Amino acid sequence: ETGVTQTPRHLVMGMTNKKSLKCEQHLGHNAMYWYKQSAKKPLELMFVYNFKEQTENNSVPSRFSPECPNSSHLFLHLHTLQPEDSALYLCASSQSPDRTRGIGYTFGSGTRLTVV
Amino acid sequence: RKEVEQDPGPFNVPEGATVAFNCTYSNSASQSFFWYRQDCRKEPKLLMSVYSSGNEDGRFTAQLNRASQYISLLIRDSKLSDSATYLCVVNINGGKSTFGDGTTLTVKP
Repeated sequence: ETGVTQTPRHLVMGMTNKKSLKCEQHLGHNAMYWYKQSAKKPLELMFVYNFKEQTENNSVPSRFSPECPNSSHLFLHLHTLQPEDSALYLCASSQSPDRTRGIGYTFGSGTRLTVV
Repeated sequence: RKEVEQDPGPFNVPEGATVAFNCTYSNSASQSFFWYRQDCRKEPKLLMSVYSSGNEDGRFTAQLNRASQYISLLIRDSKLSDSATYLCVVNINGGKSTFGDGTTLTVKP
């Protein structure tokens, strides 16, 4: 089990549903991230939080709404999604967005989302 | 041009072979470099950081060439369990990390 825990592992939702993905890190990191990975495609950065403040929104549609109540928890609220939003959603954490210390990211196991 | 470019492969090699991947980056201000491994339907996991002097971890050797702006990963004596997608990650000082699209390796018996 990694130091970054994501729930649920799998989620099937209809296009009119509202659901939330949860991420929790136990590593004392200050930065947390949401990534999307569609089938056989590269990782796409969605959001970056540093010390609970959103520092990056990578032109993500408003049907995805992040929330970061503290440095250890990150949520992704989902509503009125489309079938093309089906993907693996990965949460990651790091000491900070500044990588000069040579410390990389730790990823959670991801939530595999299917929109029907 | 992409910020980070990798040959997508796939690389198909027999067990015991030596295989090398390259990753080029476009921003000369890049400061930190990493290789991650991602197994099918799993999350990426940090394989190794890449240091200026080059570094080795068992069968894996990472090199950085700042002049030509690329990093490399060499895998010696390939094992079946090395089959995965290898992601190159580049970070600019104080900025976000950029992931390459990954190189797929299949090691066959």
